[in-house]
Amino acid sequence: EAGVTQSPTHLIKTRGQQATLRCSPISGHTSVYWYQQALGLGLQFLLWYDEGEERNRGNFPPRFSGRQFPNYSSELNVNALELEDSALYLCASGPPGRETQYFGPGTRLLVL
Amino acid sequence: QQQVKQSPQSLIVQKGGISIINCAYENTAFDYFPWYQQFPGKGPALLIAIRPDVSEKKEGRFTISFNKSAKQFSLHIMDSQPGDSATYFCAAGDNFNKFYFGSGTKLNVKP
Repeated sequence: EAGVTQSPTHLIKTRGQQATLRCSPISGHTSVYWYQQALGLGLQFLLWYDEGEERNRGNFPPRFSGRQFPNYSSELNVNALELEDSALYLCASGPPGRETQYFGPGTRLLVL
Repeated sequence: QQQVKQSPQSLIVQKGGISIINCAYENTAFDYFPWYQQFPGKGPALLIAIRPDVSEKKEGRFTISFNKSAKQFSLHIMDSQPGDSATYFCAAGDNFNKFYFGSGTKLNVKP
């Protein structure tokens, strides 16, 4: 069974640009979660999507947004990039009705 | 405000020893407490999880101890092996599937 996949693996942007990160969940999973992991820090909850709807959101500004597509894949958009947005962005997927989360390998975003 | 506090930040254990990592939380609405293991360059992998209605859960060499009144939970790794060397994260989730992670513990098991 294929795990959670994320693309790209690395992304380099300059301040003020927009970044788009993509996530494909495990087959059968309807929930997708996004987290930010800054260097040396724990994971910070960004967004939770389930059945195409945004269900919950962490304490991040509105320039962090995303969506979930009918096939349950998801993308995270970060607008007006700032230097402190440099981090590993992790996507996790989960089966219907359960909290269990399975993480992908992440996208490392570097903002110059 | 840090919802989940994890300690220690780093831990060195001899092969065969017991590794203990502790976490504390404040929000009594949390009802799901997973532990994750993360190797460099990889995403976190779910190790074991517990709900507040049990005080202990064991899976192989990994045990979660949960103290609801103290709002604390801990991970015990028995017979620690060099392959267990990784960063461990505790987490707490509420019934809105919002998860808060601890800051992580870097475990080094010496051969």
